[in-house]
Order: sequence, then C-alpha cells, then structure tokens
Amino acid sequence: EDQVTQSPEALRLQEGESSSLNCSYTVSGLRGLFWYRQDPGKGPEFLFTLYSAGEEKEKERLKATLTKKESFLHITAPKPEDSATYLCAVQASAGDMRFGAGTRLTVKP
Amino acid sequence: DTAVSQTPKYLVTQMGNDKSIKCEQNLGHDTMYWYKQDSKKFLKIMFSYNNKELIINETVPNRFSPKSPDKAHLNLHINSLELGDSAVYFCASSQTSSGVLFFGPGTRLTVL
Repeated sequence: EDQVTQSPEALRLQEGESSSLNCSYTVSGLRGLFWYRQDPGKGPEFLFTLYSAGEEKEKERLKATLTKKESFLHITAPKPEDSATYLCAVQASAGDMRFGAGTRLTVKP
Repeated sequence: DTAVSQTPKYLVTQMGNDKSIKCEQNLGHDTMYWYKQDSKKFLKIMFSYNNKELIINETVPNRFSPKSPDKAHLNLHINSLELGDSAVYFCASSQTSSGVLFFGPGTRLTVL
C-alpha cells in the first residue's frame, strides 16, 4: 500500500535558523511528489512538483529535493511568515494522490 | 477572482440532519475533488469527478453523495450526519495531466 510519512511532526526554529523537513514515501510507480503549504484556516497551497530522483526546485527560501525514497524541503534563513504546515503528497502511476500528515513549522522572531 | 470557492465556511448542525456543501471552480479544470481533513490534519480523498464521471470513491459511507451539475461545480450532500463526520471538508480542482491540486478555503463541519 502507498504510504507517505512526514517528519518531524512539528518544528520550531528561530528566525534565520535553516533546517529541513522530510517526506518518506513508498508508492507503486511514482508519477509525482508534491509539496503544499497550509496556513491555519485555509486550504493547502501548491509549492512544488518533483518527478524524478535527483530533481530539485527552488522558490525564495524553499528548496525541494527528491530521491527514490524521500523528499526534503530545505528552508534557508526562515522568517516568521514561513510559519505554516507543510504537506507532502505522492501521486502513484494509477493516479491516486496520497498526503502525509504534515510538518507544522513555527519560526520565532 | 477566487479560483476555487466553497460555501458555507462554517456549518454547525445536529446529529441526524442532512446538509450540503457547495463548490465552484473558475479555472477551467477537468477534475474536481472532495477531501476530508480530520483533527490530526490528515487529508483524505473522498471523491473525484472527471467530466461528470465519478472516478475515485474511497471507502466513504454512502451517506455522502457528490453531485456535479456541470464541469465547474461539485457539491457534497451528507445524509444522517454523525458525530464522526465533524471535520474540515476541502473542495479542490486540477487539470488531470498536471496533478497539481487547487484547494478551496474549506468548510468546517461540526456535528453536535
């Protein structure tokens, strides 16, 4: 069965303190791995799609990477406005999309 | 301007009642979805509709029924509400080829 596990469950950082979020997955035929950001009381917002091992995508202070078993979301010099829950999702070759439970990131000034 | 909208934002009701949540997308996408997010923030797919055909239906009780009057709308009707139905329900849309989901703002359903 396809599985997506995110760690840590929660992460507290000081402003400027870089770190990484992990998304481990098992899926029968990866069609794509997706990262979303969710703010409290809102729907998830798309950040990145990664399709194959070795691929990397960047957006402002965020950088997503992909291997055959996991993806990392690296946050460089985070700011308080980066505080949110970050969700990882994998899409199998059959088209099913499965989400992880998310990492709740808090960045303190 | 809103890409995916859903109403109502909040819904508080008694056990046993029937309720509906409406969803509309103006992105021209060909697939729409309903997701349930429980108290632990886990997002689980309930239904998806592609060109008015149901293509995914996970193990969701038949008290839940999606209705799509056209490609831009996917409503969710729930019969005989139970306490365990309390959650946030998200509508989403995508163009099948991309896989990227665009979510609505969510409807927080509380069953008393």
